[in-house]
Amino acid sequence: QSVLTQPPSVSGAPGQRVTISCSGSSSNIGARYDVHWYQQLPGAAPKLLIYENNNRASGVPDRFSGSKSGTSASLAITGLQAEDEADYYCQSYDNSLSPFYVVFGGGTKLTVL
Amino acid sequence: EVQLVESGGGLVQPGGSLRLSCAASGFTVSHNYMSWVRQAPGKGLEWVSIMFSGGGTYYADSVKGRFTISRHESNNTLYLQMTTLRVEDTAVYYCARDPRSHAGFWDWGRGALVSVSS
Repeated sequence: QSVLTQPPSVSGAPGQRVTISCSGSSSNIGARYDVHWYQQLPGAAPKLLIYENNNRASGVPDRFSGSKSGTSASLAITGLQAEDEADYYCQSYDNSLSPFYVVFGGGTKLTVL
Repeated sequence: EVQLVESGGGLVQPGGSLRLSCAASGFTVSHNYMSWVRQAPGKGLEWVSIMFSGGGTYYADSVKGRFTISRHESNNTLYLQMTTLRVEDTAVYYCARDPRSHAGFWDWGRGALVSVSS
């Protein structure tokens, strides 16, 4: 059971917009910790997509955007492309488990129809 | 160019030990916040441990007391010493770089597979 909750799967047709939610609590996202997002293509290592809630990592297309509000965050992908099919993870920190503790969401599999 | 290369993975019996290495280039390990993150087969990402630039260390509850993170400045390498290994420690282990604490993992290695089985 992950500390951060993501939907197991989302799907969309090419060109459409999809969002992936990441729900936390007052000890992580709600404690003003930043949220980061990663993309993991099949058989590859994770890659940073969005850092500190809404900043795109180097080389990431502006089709990807992040936001955060209260105890939740979301990743939006517009103009879906076949190459976006991957697993997506949100990540933050939690102060209830230790002075420093990294937490991940369970991951969301994006299928491009 | 930042590069992280893990090595040292393999098959080990339950209760055994293994040491992973992460050779870094393009930056200085001791100036960054370096973590190990693992991924069990078909599962999600799980943070394992971190070493701060100042030398402080933290561990996930699942590995506390069994794993030790360290670094060697002379060869710019991060290590993870794993002891009393369990079947549930089977995973691909990635090392990852956070440039300034709480900034996320900006760079990742390709991972090293650790299999714990009798």
